[in-house]
Amino acid sequence: KAGVTQTPRYLIKTRGQQVTLSCSPISGHRSVSWYQQTPGQGLQFLFEYFSETQRNKGNFPGRFSGRQFSNSRSEMNVSTLELGDSALYLCASAHGPQGPGNTIYFGEGSWLTVV
Amino acid sequence: DQQVKQNSPSLSVQEGRISILNCDYTNSMFDYFLWYKKYPAEGPTFLISISSIKDKNEDGRFTVFLNKSAKHLSLHIVPSQPGDSAVYFCAASASGSARQLTFGSGTQLTVLP
Repeated sequence: KAGVTQTPRYLIKTRGQQVTLSCSPISGHRSVSWYQQTPGQGLQFLFEYFSETQRNKGNFPGRFSGRQFSNSRSEMNVSTLELGDSALYLCASAHGPQGPGNTIYFGEGSWLTVV
Repeated sequence: DQQVKQNSPSLSVQEGRISILNCDYTNSMFDYFLWYKKYPAEGPTFLISISSIKDKNEDGRFTVFLNKSAKHLSLHIVPSQPGDSAVYFCAASASGSARQLTFGSGTQLTVLP
């Protein structure tokens, strides 16, 4: 079955602009979470959505936001881009309610470069 | 405050030998641990996981050991193959926020032919 799909794979934006990234989870998965990977900070949790509701949020400014649709697809948005937002943004999906034992699968990521 | 630590940034082993990757954690609320393998410009690929109610989990060439009292886990790869060369991340989560993974900084494994 298809894995986690992220679009676009690569994009370049200018400082001050905004960007929207899209994620389609594995079929049947209702949880979508987002992570940021940078060389300096490693892989950091942004937020998680389950059944269209944000369940958890990491320590990121309000410029980072997301949403989930009724078909479980998710988008994340970064407004007023800064150079430090250049990163690989990873989407992950999982099946089922909260609790251990739910393996989390990652997409290939969206590479964002802010110039 | 690094709650999940991988203290070895890199590890080199000979093909056919055992690779042992280590991970330490500080948050006693963590009760589920996962290992991911990552190639550059790709997303992490799930390898193996372990719940805190177990101390060992095996899947083919991969075995994860958990020592709760020491807050330490390790991933054993036997035998190591050149295709195993990648960055390995340890991740942890706590019940109640099971899909909020806290990652270590990764260990670059190089398997030499």
